[in-house]
Amino acid sequence: NAGVTQTPKFQVLKTGQSMTLQCAQDMNHNSMYWYRQDPGMGLRLIYYSASEGTTDKGEVPNGYNVSRLNKREFSLRLESAAPSQTSVYFCASTNTGLFYGYTFGSGTRLTVV
Amino acid sequence: QKEVEQNSGPLSVPEGAIASLNCTYSDRGSQSFFWYRQYSGKSPELIMFIYSNGDKEDGRFTAQLNKASQYVSLLIRDSQPSDSATYLCAGNSGGYQKVTFGTGTKLQVIP
Repeated sequence: NAGVTQTPKFQVLKTGQSMTLQCAQDMNHNSMYWYRQDPGMGLRLIYYSASEGTTDKGEVPNGYNVSRLNKREFSLRLESAAPSQTSVYFCASTNTGLFYGYTFGSGTRLTVV
Repeated sequence: QKEVEQNSGPLSVPEGAIASLNCTYSDRGSQSFFWYRQYSGKSPELIMFIYSNGDKEDGRFTAQLNKASQYVSLLIRDSQPSDSATYLCAGNSGGYQKVTFGTGTKLQVIP
C-alpha cells in the first residue's frame, strides 16, 4: 500500500511562477487536506476537501487554489509564487465516520526565490 | 493565541527514563486529541489518539486527557534514543474532522 503519495518531493520556484502540487491516496478515504509547516508555526491548514466535489478554506488559504479531481486526488496550485510560500507542504487524508486521525504524505519542500 | 499550545523544548531525558510531554488546548468543544511523532525531515506519524477523559495505554506510550483542565499529555516509558523526535499534539477543532496542531515539542533521549 502506497498510502498518500505526494509529488514532487522538492521544488525551487522563482517569484511569480506557478506550480501544482499533486496528492493521491489509495486508502479510499473521503477527506483530504493540505497543510503547510513552517518553523515555529507548526502545521497550518490551507484547504481541505471533506468529500469528492467539495473544497473549503482552512486557516491560510490566500495565494492557493485546490482541485479535488476525484476521490483519490487532491491538488494544490500556487498561481503566482511568493517567497512567503517557501515551506514544507503536507497532504493528508482520513476516513469518514470514526475519526482516527490523518495519514500524511511524505511532503513537498518548496523554496521560492 | 494558538488553540493548541506546547512547550517547544527541547526536552532532554536519559535513556530508560519516562518522558512527559504536555499540551493545553483552548477550544472546549474539541472532542478528540492526537499525538504525532515527526522525525527531522519526515512527515508526521500518528502514534496515539484519545477521546475520553483518563488514560489510554499502547505499549510504552500512555496518553492522558483531562477535559476539565483542557490538558493532554503523552508519557513515553523506557525512553529510547530512537524516540528522539518532535512530538505534535493536535485536537479536532473548527468542524468536522479538522485538526489544529500545536507547534511541537522536541524530545532528545540521551544514551
